[in-house]
Amino acid sequence: SYVLTQPPSVSVAPGKTATITCGGDDIGTKSVHWYQQKPGQAPVLVIYADTIRPSGIPERFSGSNSGNTATLTFSRVEAGDEADYYCQVWDRVSDHLYVFGPGTTVTVL
Amino acid sequence: EVQLLESGGGLARPGGSLRLSCAASGFTFETYGMSWVRQAPGRGLEWVSGISPSGDRTDYADSVKGRFTIFRDSSKNTLNLQMNRLTIEDTAVYFCAKEGWNESFDYWGQGTLVAVSS
Repeated sequence: SYVLTQPPSVSVAPGKTATITCGGDDIGTKSVHWYQQKPGQAPVLVIYADTIRPSGIPERFSGSNSGNTATLTFSRVEAGDEADYYCQVWDRVSDHLYVFGPGTTVTVL
Repeated sequence: EVQLLESGGGLARPGGSLRLSCAASGFTFETYGMSWVRQAPGRGLEWVSGISPSGDRTDYADSVKGRFTIFRDSSKNTLNLQMNRLTIEDTAVYFCAKEGWNESFDYWGQGTLVAVSS
């Protein structure tokens, strides 16, 4: 089955830029989506199809995808950005058609 | 405004059954694929099952195949998950999710907790 990897945690100072990676075999050929989940809440889609921000998501959030790594970046980090972030792809041959990464906890220092 | 409201969670014994429901509103239900995604306590997201817009195609994670059944009722705008032969490993918050572009999930319900314990 297709496996995604993410760093368990990322720490960033307010006002700085946070970068979260999502690794997978030839992930650059897949469409990658990113979700933000705050404690006790449902996930929220923040980036879909590698680079597209849904309506209502700040321009501070951006994504890229190439080779074996997809990346979520958010600039001018705020306290409200503290959350778990998950990447996700669709893989037709996986035992889980919709594959999620293990998640990255972002801490704002 | 898109809304997804899950219900049906609760406590079940190992080997028991539960049926989850998700009431959808704010979009044309019968034109979108839907899925159930779960999250065990303190763990990450795990896709469980999905269904096509017409309901003619269903898919399951290997961990639930043969035990869970997903179905939808377009007359009531409702997504359902029949869960049989529950195990302790099925304990999780279960989210209903609407499929968006490129097999993403653009809207999620607030989740319903399923606890399997003897």
